Amino acid sequence: KNEVEQSPQNLTAQEGEFITINCSYSVGISALHWLQQHPGGGIVSLFMLSSGKKKHGRLIATINIQEKHSSLHITASHPRDSAVYICAVNSGGGADGLTFGKGTHLIIQP
Amino acid sequence: EPEVTQTPSHQVTQMGQEVILRCVPISNHLYFYWYRQILGQKVEFLVSFYNNEISEKSEIFDDQFSVERPDGSNFTLKIRSTKLEDSAMYFCASTPHRLATSEQYFGPGTRLTVT
Repeated sequence: KNEVEQSPQNLTAQEGEFITINCSYSVGISALHWLQQHPGGGIVSLFMLSSGKKKHGRLIATINIQEKHSSLHITASHPRDSAVYICAVNSGGGADGLTFGKGTHLIIQP
Repeated sequence: EPEVTQTPSHQVTQMGQEVILRCVPISNHLYFYWYRQILGQKVEFLVSFYNNEISEKSEIFDDQFSVERPDGSNFTLKIRSTKLEDSAMYFCASTPHRLATSEQYFGPGTRLTVT
């Protein structure tokens, strides 16, 4: 069973700061997902990674398969980035569900 | 943009009652999932569904739970004889392909409160 750990659990930063959220997992995976959950509860997929690096706007996600580690970076952070960021992994190759981390609660202050 | 929809947004039920949570996945998606999130805890996988049958289920998904795709659009989660500890947010999700190659699209969730 895969264990997914995220750090930090909580992060408060000032607007404009560069943000890094880390995720590690215990067992090899087929893909890693970064998700965003807003206070209303809705979950949005940000990235799906199986290797390397992806970038969408101010968000960058990287993964190191050998080290079983991924990072999510936010450049030029903004108060609207405030949310819970969740790392989740897919360990199987079929229709297996995701295994989730506990999430990182990010607050960006103006 | 196509989206996953769920109804109702909030369901209150008494302990011991049966509830059905409904989801309409994105129309050309093939894989369907239910997850739950107890307040303050992490999201947990319940079940995946593909080709009209359960593909995988977690330890949580015991005989109290069942899923069905009664027609070409709806995907339902039935919880029989609800317990207080079933109170949670339930998310439906779908993907066009296997999760190893696809992002997952989540519905807005149904908040279930068991009293």
